[in-house]
Amino acid sequence: KNQVEQSPQSLIILEGKNCTLQCNYTVSPFSNLRWYKQDTGRGPVSLTIMTFSENTKSNGRYTATLDADTKQSSLHITASQLSDSASYICVVRAYGNNRLAFGKGNQVVVIP
Amino acid sequence: GAGVSQSPSNKVTEKGKDVELRCDPISGHTALYWYRQRLGQGLEFLIYFQGNSAPDKSGLPSDRFSAERTGESVSTLTIQRTQQEDSAVYLCASSREGPGGYTFGSGTRLTVV
Repeated sequence: KNQVEQSPQSLIILEGKNCTLQCNYTVSPFSNLRWYKQDTGRGPVSLTIMTFSENTKSNGRYTATLDADTKQSSLHITASQLSDSASYICVVRAYGNNRLAFGKGNQVVVIP
Repeated sequence: GAGVSQSPSNKVTEKGKDVELRCDPISGHTALYWYRQRLGQGLEFLIYFQGNSAPDKSGLPSDRFSAERTGESVSTLTIQRTQQEDSAVYLCASSREGPGGYTFGSGTRLTVV
């Protein structure tokens, strides 16, 4: 079973609307969680990084939340733009481990 | 350069041929990772280099896969006797030592026909 599960797998939203992506993980002990944006044909680009003590972190129109007790994170996109169309990948790192556990991504398509 | 550079960006090869993929990490980044991303799948860890330490090769799927890195410079991922199942995007990432951010390259899209 994958250590990082993301939902929904894909999402279509109208330009200007908001959306929320979910990430549940089982990685333990927990070190940090990152959200990456991957445009088609490009490598992933980091949006946010959150450690155990952080509940919310924003990067422009992107806001990530973390509940380390329930092992859940969300990424909220506000006032979506066409350029937000991409795959959003949740990545979790275990404490003391240099490997990363990747979710399969949330595929977001923003339509005009 | 300012980012992680990978080459070639696209590679089409015949089944059974060997291929070599290259990654130029960000200068000063001691850690280098190779990942594989099959169509519609998440990223799959392949190998990890940290400075002059022995690499973590535990993610390599078979003995047809190998990777080298000299010091903290360029890394090459070699796939021998390619199979159609090897078709994927191969991503390289580098970072400074410690739990910091990772910077990914744009990847090499490998198609085995």
